[in-house]
Amino acid sequence: GAGVSQTPSNKVTEKGKYVELRCDPISGHTALYWYRQSLGQGPEFLIYFQGTGAADDSGLPNDRFFAVRPEGSVSTLKIQRTERGDSAVYLCASSPYDGAYEQYFGPGTRLTVT
Amino acid sequence: AQSVTQLDSHVSVSEGTPVLLRCNYSSSYSPSLFWYVQHPNKGLQLLLKYTSAATLVKGINGFEAEFKKSETSFHLTKPSAHMSDAAEYFCVVSDAGNNRKLIWGLGTSLAVNP
Repeated sequence: GAGVSQTPSNKVTEKGKYVELRCDPISGHTALYWYRQSLGQGPEFLIYFQGTGAADDSGLPNDRFFAVRPEGSVSTLKIQRTERGDSAVYLCASSPYDGAYEQYFGPGTRLTVT
Repeated sequence: AQSVTQLDSHVSVSEGTPVLLRCNYSSSYSPSLFWYVQHPNKGLQLLLKYTSAATLVKGINGFEAEFKKSETSFHLTKPSAHMSDAAEYFCVVSDAGNNRKLIWGLGTSLAVNP
């Protein structure tokens, strides 16, 4: 079956611009996660959704970052006033239910802020 | 607070020889531990997980790991390396009492030489 998909695969934007990154989880998965992976680092937790609600957004670095999941399926990570330090690979993962151990990852979106 | 230390940033082995990727963790609770693999241009994939059952855990592609509480270690091994094993490997611990939030090591890059 289809795995987690993320669009776009690559995004180049200018400093100060607004970007949206999209995640399509595996059909039927209720839990969805966003991570950020900088070069040479492991993924860093950003936010977790159970259904439509953000159950844990403690990893969002500041108020320029926001994520939504309005219908409990597709999620969008939104970054306002992008900075060069936001450049990273943004990963999305989903799990079949809340508390499931395995997270299924998408291929990521590589964001470059120039 | 939970943390993970991967003791080697790069490991190089010859095809057919054993693989050992080392991981130490810090946790004030009984942790859940994971190994994920990341092949170039592909999403992260779960290799195996420890969740307080058997201490020797078998995963996919012939990998296994042993949870040693006295040593706070969770090293990943494989008896015989294959060229297709070349990838980045991440040791991961779940946040205390919350397996939704994963804490990642910095990764170990495994090279397999013919």
